[in-house]
Amino acid sequence: DAKTTQPPSMDCAEGRAANLPCNHSTISGNEYVYWYRQIHSQGPQYIIHGLKNNETNEMASLIITEDRKSSTLILPHATLRDTAVYYCIVRVPITGNQFYFGTGTSLTVIP
Amino acid sequence: GAVVSQHPSWVICKSGTSVKIECRSLDFQATTMFWYRQFPKQSLMLMATSNEGSKATYEQGVEKDKFLINHASLTLSTLTVTSAHPEDSSFYICSARWGPPSETQYFGPGTRLLVL
Repeated sequence: DAKTTQPPSMDCAEGRAANLPCNHSTISGNEYVYWYRQIHSQGPQYIIHGLKNNETNEMASLIITEDRKSSTLILPHATLRDTAVYYCIVRVPITGNQFYFGTGTSLTVIP
Repeated sequence: GAVVSQHPSWVICKSGTSVKIECRSLDFQATTMFWYRQFPKQSLMLMATSNEGSKATYEQGVEKDKFLINHASLTLSTLTVTSAHPEDSSFYICSARWGPPSETQYFGPGTRLLVL
């Protein structure tokens, strides 16, 4: 049970910001939001995670709404190498709680 | 940091043989590792949780006797596909748990298995 909803596909022009939405309307107070991406024929790559506050690292920014029912992953300047399937996952970060992957969003960056 | 490797990256075998896949955490100790399987154009499916020094926990529907998991050290977990058949052909991916507080998982590059 993935507990998240993402659009199946999106396009983004190279050099523009890519904004990937995720709905997690049933998220509980102690569940974190994690984002991973999977480039074709590779293992998933960790991008970013957060609980309540917006987060930023060298790869992306994560914006979580105040009610925490949705979030947006922002790739500020998309490149062709950002073409991948992006997964949004919510879980409580305790031992024994697994990552269950939904269908994700297939992002295509267009030259 | 937090690098996970897998070996081999590709394996082709005949039906009925067994195949072992290794998963290593290179720069950290992982008491818990996970094994996933991914069929073409599908998402990752969790197969089992591998705990160092104890028996693995399998997801519902995954055959324990077919997919043998051993986690003998803090940096190595192995998945053995016993008596492999063509329907076992898939992309197998492992991950290792990076400690608290976020319990983030880091994934290996995957192993593509083709059973003829």
